Amino acid sequence: SYELTQPPSVSVSPGQTARITCSADALSKRYAYWYQQKPGQAPVLLIYKNNERPSGIPERFSGSSSGTTVTLTISGVQAEDEADYYCQSADSSGNVIFGGGTKLTVL
Amino acid sequence: QVQLVQSGGEVKKPGASVKVSCKASGYSFISYGISWVRQAPGQGLEWMGWISAYNGNTDYAQKLQGRVTMTTDTSTSTAYMELRSLRSDDTAVYYCARFIWSGYSSYYYMDVWGKGTAVTVSS
Repeated sequence: SYELTQPPSVSVSPGQTARITCSADALSKRYAYWYQQKPGQAPVLLIYKNNERPSGIPERFSGSSSGTTVTLTISGVQAEDEADYYCQSADSSGNVIFGGGTKLTVL
Repeated sequence: QVQLVQSGGEVKKPGASVKVSCKASGYSFISYGISWVRQAPGQGLEWMGWISAYNGNTDYAQKLQGRVTMTTDTSTSTAYMELRSLRSDDTAVYYCARFIWSGYSSYYYMDVWGKGTAVTVSS
């Protein structure tokens, strides 16, 4: 197995762009997924297969991949986007792996 | 709409077992898997494993092998997760989630989540 590395925290002002990264050598070969979790709530799928957005997720959320790093970009950050964000992938056996999570603070 | 409704919170003593249920509605239950994820207080997400609702095949996180059992009842579209020999560090919110996977195309993820079940292990 392997680890997914995320920054513990990211801060951004309203209306600005937030970028949250997730790194692992395996990400050059495997899909990544992103979840948003607000306090006291269940996670919500934001991005699947690196850059696909489920229906109902605002367009300001996007995902990208470059080499061993995947990035969640939130354009025009709103106060309601303050939450924990988790990246997820899987190993060659299909075991799911989560990153440690990134707390997004909207200043 | 797709919905996963979990059973209520539990308080257990160390060494006991807990069984959490997750009732699915709004989709074809056997066409997906169910994954279980837990979150200890103030901590991140921890994957516990998943079960195919189609054939009952399971894959458990190595850390929990021997203590966890996941099952489904297709007649009621309900999934269950039983954790035995509970310890204080099993105190967490336990989530079920609809699991989408393809071993051939190498994708594995969860698109709809239950609201969670709080399990407290305390003497």
